[in-house]
Amino acid sequence: AQTVTQSQPEMSVQEAETVTLSCTYDTSESNYYLFWYKQPPSRQMILVIRQEAYKQQNATENRFSVNFQKAAKSFSLKISDSQLGDTAMYFCAFMKYSAGNMLTFGGGTRLMVKP
Amino acid sequence: GAVVSQHPSRVICKSGTSVKIECRSLDFQATTMFWYRQFPKQSLMLMATSNEGSKATYEQGVEKDKFLINHASLTLSTLTVTSAHPEDSSFYICSAVSGGNQETQYFGPGTRLLVL
Repeated sequence: AQTVTQSQPEMSVQEAETVTLSCTYDTSESNYYLFWYKQPPSRQMILVIRQEAYKQQNATENRFSVNFQKAAKSFSLKISDSQLGDTAMYFCAFMKYSAGNMLTFGGGTRLMVKP
Repeated sequence: GAVVSQHPSRVICKSGTSVKIECRSLDFQATTMFWYRQFPKQSLMLMATSNEGSKATYEQGVEKDKFLINHASLTLSTLTVTSAHPEDSSFYICSAVSGGNQETQYFGPGTRLLVL
C-alpha cells in the first residue's frame, strides 16, 4: 500500500515571498503520478500541479513548481510570489498507474499567507 | 472545462432519515466517480469507487448498506446516506475522471451534512 506524508501541518509566509511545502511518499511502484491539490476556505478541491514519475523534468504551473526527487520519494511544492489567495489547505496525492485512478492523500498542510 | 457539481451543498436532516447527494459531471462523461468523506481539519478519506453501470467498490470499513451509491449514467452518481445518525455528519466530496484524461480527478464543491 502507498502512503503519503506531509510533515508540516501548518505554515505561514509573507505575501510576495516564496514558500516550500514538503511531501514524501512510500511505494514500490515505478510508474505513478503525483499531484498537489489546493483546498481554500470554500473547500473546493483545485488541482494545482501534476507530475508523471517517468518524467525527470519538474512540473511548473506559473508561480507553482515542484521538486520531484524520485529516488528519495520526495515531491515538494514551491509557491513563488505568494498571494493572499494562496491561503488554503494543500494536499499531496499519489496515484499509481494501475490503481483505477485512485488517489492516496497526505494529511495536508495549512498555508497562511500574511499581508 | 471539467466541471463537477454537487447537490445539495448543505443539508440538515433528522436522525433516522435518508439523504441523497448528487454528483454530476457537467461538461464531460465520467467513466469513474469517487466519493470521499472529510472530517474537520483532516484529509479526504475515500469511501467508494463508482463505475457507470456497475456496482460500487467500497473501501474497507465503509458500510455499503448505509452508504448506497448509484452510478446510473456517465454524468451522474448519487450517494444516499440511509438512516442517518449524528455520527454521519461530515463533509462529503465527489470527484470524477473522464475517459480522455484518466489520470486527473476533478472534484465537486462538496456537501455538508448535519444530522440532528
